[in-house]
Amino acid sequence: KAGVTQTPRYLIKTRGQQVTLSCSPISGHRSVSWYQQTPGQGLQFLFEYFSETQRNKGNFPGRFSGRQFSNSRSEMNVSTLELGDSALYLCASSLGNGGPTDTQYFGPGTRLTVL
Amino acid sequence: AQRVTQPEKLLSVFKGAPVELKCNYSYSGSPELFWYVQYSRQRLQLLLRHISRESIKGFTADLNNGETSFHLKKPFAQEEDSAMYYCALTPSGGSYIPTFGRGTSLIVHP
Repeated sequence: KAGVTQTPRYLIKTRGQQVTLSCSPISGHRSVSWYQQTPGQGLQFLFEYFSETQRNKGNFPGRFSGRQFSNSRSEMNVSTLELGDSALYLCASSLGNGGPTDTQYFGPGTRLTVL
Repeated sequence: AQRVTQPEKLLSVFKGAPVELKCNYSYSGSPELFWYVQYSRQRLQLLLRHISRESIKGFTADLNNGETSFHLKKPFAQEEDSAMYYCALTPSGGSYIPTFGRGTSLIVHP
């Protein structure tokens, strides 16, 4: 099976702009989660989508949003970018059934730099 | 609020030595605990979870509710164990909102 893919791998934006990141899950996976990783805050959970619905949400401002399509691909959007949004954004997919063997598989990440 | 603490940013050992990566947590309910690993130039991946009670690559972790700890152990470290290790907690029973520790970098010297 192909792994989780994320595009683009690198992005440079300026303050005030918006950005959209994309994640393609492993075939058959219905859950996609997004994380932000920074040296200062570590790895933080943004949100999880399951069957096109946001099922869980972390503690991030409304500038961070996402969606999931019927083929389980997901996008996350960050509006009005701030310098502090510079981070590695990771996406992970899983079956989403919450069972003891339901494992998250991570993508390589998108490195966002805000200037 | 849930919190995960990994007190060591860096742990350096020699090959063949025992390894213990510490993880302490605070959570008012019954958590699910995980260890993730990221090898150099590879993706973050699940190493093990406490409900599975399994040993992966020689690593084990026992959930100690009394001490609120979930330390990762291996009796004899190998050079290929060198990686970044993250402890994570999610509430049990449905809602998946994980909290990760800051990670411990394990270096195993030959």
